[in-house]
Amino acid sequence: SAVISQKPSRDICQRGTSLTIQCQVDSQVTMMFWYRQQPGQSLTLIATANQGSEATYESGFVIDKFPISRPNLTFSTLTVSNMSPEDSSIYLCSVEGRTSYEQYFGPGTRLTVT
Amino acid sequence: GIQVEQSPPDLILQEGANSTLRCNFSDSVNNLQWFHQNPWGQLINLFYIPSGTKQNGRLSATTVATERYSLLYISSSQTTDSGVYFCATNSLNNAGNMLTFGGGTRLMVKP
Repeated sequence: SAVISQKPSRDICQRGTSLTIQCQVDSQVTMMFWYRQQPGQSLTLIATANQGSEATYESGFVIDKFPISRPNLTFSTLTVSNMSPEDSSIYLCSVEGRTSYEQYFGPGTRLTVT
Repeated sequence: GIQVEQSPPDLILQEGANSTLRCNFSDSVNNLQWFHQNPWGQLINLFYIPSGTKQNGRLSATTVATERYSLLYISSSQTTDSGVYFCATNSLNNAGNMLTFGGGTRLMVKP
């Protein structure tokens, strides 16, 4: 399976600011995914990021709030913009595994907004 | 879209006990994954099991796709098994495959 790293691992941010989360994979992958996990909840897909095209967002998530970049096949960023306390969550990136149905996850970024 | 439900939502075990976690899904699926989320938030792949039975040490999983459920068995539980167990299955969105997660089973194993 791919080795996935995320930066930062955690952060405490002030309301109204923005944070960019980085996801790095040790091998080339076609699709990368960004998930949000609110406190005590399950994971929800924010968007799917393919290299060379705009990310595809799920219902309830918009590009202005969660802009995503995918400059190459091993890297992606997710920005959480104009943060509010409701954005306090763990943000995780994932990639497809050996089959397109398996996914492997990075260690997550734990965000607290005050 | 597909619905994924897990039971029980919470489970407390004494170390050494066995347990069965269940995952029901609302539609036919051709894949299913089980994950363990440790207390630090890391999601660890346990099984990719679209059908049949697999075993890995004290853990095993069975998926009966025709009846739309999967089971995760934990035998001789240890305190390090504590955390949240998620099942997830794929559905198609505009971008391709996406994972839909169940609500999770929060497990606490007491020494």
